[in-house]
Amino acid sequence: DGGITQSPKYLFRKEGQNVTLSCEQNLNHDAMYWYRQDPGQGLRLIYYSQIVNDFQKGDIAEGYSVSREKKESFPLTVTSAQKNPTAFYLCASSILVLGQGNSPLHFGNGTRLTVT
Amino acid sequence: GDSVTQMEGPVTLSEEAFLTINCTYTATGYPSLFWYVQYPGEGLQLLLKATKADDKGSNKGFEATYRKETTSFHLEKGSVQVSDSAVYFCALINRRGFGNEKLTFGTGTRLTIIP
Repeated sequence: DGGITQSPKYLFRKEGQNVTLSCEQNLNHDAMYWYRQDPGQGLRLIYYSQIVNDFQKGDIAEGYSVSREKKESFPLTVTSAQKNPTAFYLCASSILVLGQGNSPLHFGNGTRLTVT
Repeated sequence: GDSVTQMEGPVTLSEEAFLTINCTYTATGYPSLFWYVQYPGEGLQLLLKATKADDKGSNKGFEATYRKETTSFHLEKGSVQVSDSAVYFCALINRRGFGNEKLTFGTGTRLTIIP
């Protein structure tokens, strides 16, 4: 079955350490996205990528980094510069249709990161 | 900028009750509107969408009508079930560019259905 796989489901880190969250999709989607979900704040876009070897900052990119070396993979690194890293992180993907930004997002099941 | 406002939760209903979750939006132009659902421990799934004024999106007994005059996209279901317990997100996207990077989400409404 096609889908998006995020791993691990739960991740614990000490403050000051970088941590990388995995996101893999086998849907052959061009675009991939990382969102952060906090209670009472909905979803906020961190980074997105529409093509291999290219990515753009979203609304809250500070303290995060990404890479897109393969179409299927879009890992997110939470660096020690991110002031409030504890959150639920969601990866998504979609097809791209020229002139129409309304193709549905497919989401992974998320990674809950706790930094102490 | 674009924004989405949804009714605050949590919302608790008895099984078979009528459900309305309010959603209003602010956007220039002609956005597309969506409802996503998040079941416990999972990511979001698209529930329904509407791409122009007066369109009605429907799926799994849920409905929402795109009302441009009131800038609203309220989610309704005539008879809820325990399995509908989840968090519901209203979202919009304006038709610029050709990606979903401009998707704007509401804060989510947690719905709990009791037997």
